[in-house]
Order: sequence, then structure tokens, then C-alpha cells
Amino acid sequence: NAGVTQTPKFQVLKTGQSMTLQCAQDMNHNSMYWYRQDPGMGLRLIYYSASEGTTEKGEVPNGYNVSRLNKREFSLRLESAAPSQTSVYFCASSERAETQYFGPGTRLLVL
Amino acid sequence: RKEVEQDPGPFNVPEGATVAFNCTYSNSASQSFFWYRQDCRKEPKLLMSVYSSGNEDGRFTAQLNRASQYISLLIRDSKLSDSATYLCVVNGANFNKFYFGSGTKLNVKP
Repeated sequence: NAGVTQTPKFQVLKTGQSMTLQCAQDMNHNSMYWYRQDPGMGLRLIYYSASEGTTEKGEVPNGYNVSRLNKREFSLRLESAAPSQTSVYFCASSERAETQYFGPGTRLLVL
Repeated sequence: RKEVEQDPGPFNVPEGATVAFNCTYSNSASQSFFWYRQDCRKEPKLLMSVYSSGNEDGRFTAQLNRASQYISLLIRDSKLSDSATYLCVVNGANFNKFYFGSGTKLNVKP
């Protein structure tokens, strides 16, 4: 039982490059989330998906797109990376408004 | 106004001390409340949920005050291993959305 897994763990991009962050959970949770964490800012919600086939914007969705591929997987795409998107990205899953389980994070540096 | 506010600290305490953190939230309709712990460069992990009647887990006690819209966490007999950042988490009007405080850093010294 792996819980929530994320790939890659680290990534360096140049401004304007694109990439997709992958997330998968094996707990059969309906809800999945993408957050970013910047120093002193706490975690901020980018997008979430309450169930397979649905996605909704969070606090900071600009510059990102998401896909809920199936119940297990929720990906985050940066179409044209900017230095302001340098951050640590966490994926999480939960069953409704209960405990969230987080992946280990992806550290992204945009030059 | 932020959805969830916390004192960032740091709180520097000696081993064995009792320390308390508070957190305020803005949405009176919130129904779920949590304290998470985050170690440096790691993912947040659930420390405890917070229930209306208050709840205790070993050395940790959480309280909820709905009238004043704040949540507290009390840590008794602090251990070196308690050193971490403690995140207050509250759900919003849309119960599927969670809001995180910026965290309170605790340093427990020998």
C-alpha cells in the first residue's frame, strides 16, 4: 500500500518549457488535490477534483491545468513555466472532508 | 482576510515544557478542523482531527471554539522530536476544499 505517489521528485525547467507532474493514490479516495508551498506562505490550493471526471479551481490556478485521468490519477500540467512557479508541489487525496494524505512532493525550479 | 491565520513563531522551548498554539479561521460554516505536522522538506502528516468537544491524544490536546472561531493545540512534556512546523487546516464553504495556515514553527531545545 503505497498511499500517494508523485513523480518526479525534482525538476529543473527553463522559462517557457512545459511539464506534467504525476500523482496517483491507491486508497480508493474520491477527492484529490494539488497544492503549492512557498516559504512563509503555507500550502495553497491550485486545483482539486471531488470525483472522477470533475475538477475545480482553487486559490491559485493561473498557469496550471489538471486532468483527473481516472479515480487513481490526477496530473498537473504547466504549459509554459515561469520563475514564479518555482515551488514545492504536493498532491493529496481524501475521502470527502476527512483526513488528507499527501505525496512526498515535487521540488520544481524554473530558471 | 486569510481563511486561516497562525502565529508563525518560532516557539523555542526547553524539553519538558508545555506549549500552546492558536489558529483562527474566517468561515463560520467550516465543519472540519485538523492539526498537521510538517517536518523540514517533508510532506504534511495528520497529527489530529479537532472535534467540538475537544480531544486528546497522549501529550497532545486540541480544542475548538466555534463562537470565537479558533482552534488550539496544546503539547505537554515537549520532546526534541516534537520540533516541526504545525499546520492548522480548516475546510471551507465548499467542504471539499481545505485551507491551510502558514504554520507555526516549534523548536524544542535540550
